Amino acid sequence: EVQLLESGGDLEQPGGSLRLSCAASGFTITPHAMTWVRQAPGRGLEWVSSISSNGDSTYYADSVKGRFTISRDNSKNTLYLHMNSLGAEDTALYHCAKGLRMGFDNWGQGTLVTVSS
Amino acid sequence: QSALTQPASVSGSPGQSITISCTGTSSDVGGYNYVSWYQHHPGKAPKLMIYEVSNRPSGVSNRFSGSKSGNTASLTISGLQAEDEADYYCSSFASSNTVVFGGGTKVTVL
Repeated sequence: EVQLLESGGDLEQPGGSLRLSCAASGFTITPHAMTWVRQAPGRGLEWVSSISSNGDSTYYADSVKGRFTISRDNSKNTLYLHMNSLGAEDTALYHCAKGLRMGFDNWGQGTLVTVSS
Repeated sequence: QSALTQPASVSGSPGQSITISCTGTSSDVGGYNYVSWYQHHPGKAPKLMIYEVSNRPSGVSNRFSGSKSGNTASLTISGLQAEDEADYYCSSFASSNTVVFGGGTKVTVL
């Protein structure tokens, strides 16, 4: 069964950092672009960042560019999101998903990031 | 990276058909045939319902169909069922290898 399991969400102070992980099982992420999507409380889905299959190309929403870094370890079948300079606007449920251009065909349940003092 | 425009809510009776619109620009919806639609039940992971404008993934009911004209894409649900009640989001691949989502549409089955 294809599964994506996110972890690393936590309560963090403004200006702080977090690293999210997304462990894949039931398939190998190696040939696939991977993506992070978030949903703030009461809001819709927002694309955050994507990474190409080999990790050479990364793409970011303007709202996180320069603060977040997406990466992957294909040998560990895991996707990451390094988040710096966190603000209240980053409070959200963060989902990882498989795919990019042709849509996201598998999603994780998400990990909750709360930024508050 | 402005959000695509969707109606906030759409409703219909069981058995009826409804259509959700998704309006963007020539830099996203109008410029690429990479429009997707997702069904999202609160507390669950979103589910891909349509990809590349009109293709259904394996296992998705043929009651769901997608189309596009110019800068506007549409999702039609025919034979509306109670289980279709959910939030629906469109998304489009966009310039500079980015993705933009719509604001979401709440579908209510009356």
